[in-house]
Amino acid sequence: KAGVTQTPRYLIKTRGQQVTLSCSPISGHRSVSWYQQTPGQGLQFLFEYFSETQRNKGNFPGRFSGRQFSNSRSEMNVSTLELGDSALYLCASSLRAAGLDTQYFGPGTRLTVL
Amino acid sequence: GQNIDQPTEMTATEGAIVQINCTYQTSGFNGLFWYQQHAGEAPTFLSYNVLDGLEEKGRFSSFLSRSKGYSYLLLKELQMKDSASYLCPPERGGSQGNLIFGKGTKLSVKP
Repeated sequence: KAGVTQTPRYLIKTRGQQVTLSCSPISGHRSVSWYQQTPGQGLQFLFEYFSETQRNKGNFPGRFSGRQFSNSRSEMNVSTLELGDSALYLCASSLRAAGLDTQYFGPGTRLTVL
Repeated sequence: GQNIDQPTEMTATEGAIVQINCTYQTSGFNGLFWYQQHAGEAPTFLSYNVLDGLEEKGRFSSFLSRSKGYSYLLLKELQMKDSASYLCPPERGGSQGNLIFGKGTKLSVKP
């Protein structure tokens, strides 16, 4: 069974631009969670989608948004990029809602904002 | 609120045994995960403890004490490839099921 895939793997943007990241969960998994990882803050939870609905949201500004499609693939969008948004963005999928199952992580998208 | 406390860094020698401690405070506790993350890579699942006691899985064992809010990961016969960060997110379940990760423990294994 294929693992979680994320595209693109690397991205360079400039301040003020917007970016869309994609995550394809393990086949059959219905939950996708997004995390931001920076050296100073560690892994921080952004949001979780389950069956196309946002179940849970972390403490990030409204510039960070996401959605999930009927095939469970998920996208996250960051608008008006800031230098501090440079990070590794990870998505994780689980069979059932997060909190009921082990989460499996994708390889991440490394975003650099110049 | 939720809080996770782990040592920031540890160093050990190849072939040795190392114990990485984790204390946590959280509401709605279900169980606790351990993940391993190599530099620049995604976290990979190591173990999940829901009951008190020790769970052994090859060279890795994980212990949980629910009453003390305490867990540890025990790594035996250390190998160079065990150099990584180790994360211990508690699982809260229900509507707050997302994992909250601390900054992890960076383990360096030296020859």
